[in-house]
Amino acid sequence: EVQLVESGGGLVQPGRSLRLSCAASGFTFDDYAMHWVRQAPGKGLEWVSGISWNSGSIDYADSVKGRFTISRDNAKNSLYLQMNSLRGEDTALYYCAKDTRDRMAAAGSLQHWGQGTLVTVSS
Amino acid sequence: DIQMTQSPSSLSASVGDGVTITCRASQSISSYLNWYQQKPGKAPKLLIYAASSLQSGVPSRFSGSGSGTDFILTISSLQPEDFATYYCQQSHSTPQTFGQGTKVEIK
Repeated sequence: EVQLVESGGGLVQPGRSLRLSCAASGFTFDDYAMHWVRQAPGKGLEWVSGISWNSGSIDYADSVKGRFTISRDNAKNSLYLQMNSLRGEDTALYYCAKDTRDRMAAAGSLQHWGQGTLVTVSS
Repeated sequence: DIQMTQSPSSLSASVGDGVTITCRASQSISSYLNWYQQKPGKAPKLLIYAASSLQSGVPSRFSGSGSGTDFILTISSLQPEDFATYYCQQSHSTPQTFGQGTKVEIK
């Protein structure tokens, strides 16, 4: 059974940093691209970032480009999101999601999702 | 970036009704369009991938159609468990944008 478990969320002041983690199990992690998707309270889904199976292809939403960094450790079956210079508008539930392909934007879909970790940016 | 626009933003329907939700892309995305269902407090669930392929385990009352820029999600006979918010998402290019969502409520 595929499992994705996010951690690392919490309350952080504007301008500070936070690192999210996603522990994956139940599938061959390095066969698939992975993504972060967020959802602000009461709002819709926003794709944040994605990374190909071998970290060779990475992309970000314009709203986080230059502030967030996605990475993965295939030996540890883990996905990460380093979030710097956090803003109030980054407050959201952050989901880790598994692609059905090994790279992004390759006609894949987000077949499995974690339950999310909540990030609150406030002073 | 490719913009995805869903309509309507919300709708009210009764159990047994047929429902259609549309999703329009700002440029052609071939058939690289996915549909997700999200219930309150839960993670999204994949319903339809590649515009018209039903994800395993999803009831056959759900169907998808379209290609290019215009896509439709159809629920043939609404069931109580279908009241939720539905999102389209393109996987043609990054950023892999979502539509703003369509909330299906009980009439």
